[in-house]
Amino acid sequence: GENVEQHPSTLSVQEGDSAVIKCTYSDSASNYFPWYKQELGKGPQLIIDIRSNVGEKKDQRIAVTLNKTAKHFSLHITETQPEDSAVYFCAAPPFGNEKLTFGTGTRLTIIP
Amino acid sequence: KAGVTQTPRYLIKTRGQQVTLSCSPISGHRSVSWYQQTPGQGLQFLFEYFSETQRNKGNFPGRFSGRQFSNSRSEMNVSTLELGDSALYLCASSFDRNQPQHFGDGTRLSIL
Repeated sequence: GENVEQHPSTLSVQEGDSAVIKCTYSDSASNYFPWYKQELGKGPQLIIDIRSNVGEKKDQRIAVTLNKTAKHFSLHITETQPEDSAVYFCAAPPFGNEKLTFGTGTRLTIIP
Repeated sequence: KAGVTQTPRYLIKTRGQQVTLSCSPISGHRSVSWYQQTPGQGLQFLFEYFSETQRNKGNFPGRFSGRQFSNSRSEMNVSTLELGDSALYLCASSFDRNQPQHFGDGTRLSIL
């Protein structure tokens, strides 16, 4: 089955700086890669996703890049703000499967 | 558009009891997936239902079961509760396979 590794587990960034979180996956047939943000007491919120037919997708301050050859994808947050503090999860479903395999999460702390 | 609604938000049970959790998906979504989230194991897939049929199942014992109704609402049941079942149970809905999954805020289950 799919195996997803996520790094780093914790990340502290000065407000206004950029943050990058990286994930690798094992199933070369996987073709959909979402990123979720989870705040305390809430469920994971989908913030951006990418399909394997594109290499990069951007939505305001958030971007995701995908390297299919190396089987890794990354989340980039620019101009970080205090409200970006949360736990971020990457995920990948095995091809043709609804089941999401999640990374272990990155706790992002924005230092004012 | 209303999001995914899970009830109840919090539940306290004792060992040996059984529990039923409820999930109302986003209107128009036909797929409902359930996940268990714990500090030690992270987010793990339980099962997925589509058009009242279980389409996918994770690696959980038979004590964990679910069902989906004709209006796409779903319930999951855990019988003979164990201390290790204490977790946040999350429900996610999507329109269909390989479409973005959106999560509810979960049911926090505590076993005494």
